[in-house]
Amino acid sequence: GENVEQHPSTLSVQEGDSAVIKCTYSDSASNYFPWYKQELGKRPQLIIDIRSNVGEKKDQRIAVTLNKTAKHFSLHITETQPEDSAVYFCAVFFGNEKLTFGTGTRLTIIP
Amino acid sequence: DVKVTQSSRYLVKRTGEKVFLECVQDMDHENMFWYRQDPGLGLRLIYFSYDVKMKEKGDIPEGYSVSREKKERFSLILESASTNQTSMYLCASSPPRGRENTIYFGEGSWLTVV
Repeated sequence: GENVEQHPSTLSVQEGDSAVIKCTYSDSASNYFPWYKQELGKRPQLIIDIRSNVGEKKDQRIAVTLNKTAKHFSLHITETQPEDSAVYFCAVFFGNEKLTFGTGTRLTIIP
Repeated sequence: DVKVTQSSRYLVKRTGEKVFLECVQDMDHENMFWYRQDPGLGLRLIYFSYDVKMKEKGDIPEGYSVSREKKERFSLILESASTNQTSMYLCASSPPRGRENTIYFGEGSWLTVV
């Protein structure tokens, strides 16, 4: 079936350190992998995405890597700042119009 | 800027009541979605619609129904609210995947069933 697993569920890092969140998925035909950030009390918003024909994508301090063979992709945040504290969700399109989300990672940046 | 508006941000309803959650988008998107968000469970898809009067069940449709009479509006209906439906409900919209992959969320509706 269509399944997305996300780890860890909570993550605390010192300000300035890096954070990594990982997701695995079940369907090798999937070809689009976005990451959403949800700040407290707000809606999830897209922060970065990657398509299956690319292995890595960077946007300033955030990057996403994709390993299609192993069916996993990761979000990397470098030089973390207090405003990076939020819940992060990975998601996968399983060959149709709907996104299936991971269970979320609560990231806390410790000043 | 894409706007997805959920008319009710906070609701308190009694067990057994019929509840309507309304969602309107202003970008002429074909696809609309209702998700439910619970701590530790992420966002789970209840129903989605890829066209007017079309609907498909998501992962947790039990206890819910939907209505899409107009392209811009997608309503979630709880026929008889129960306490286990206390949750945050997120509406979202997107164009067809061939045009763009991003989905856009509303602000969310916090529903408490007592």
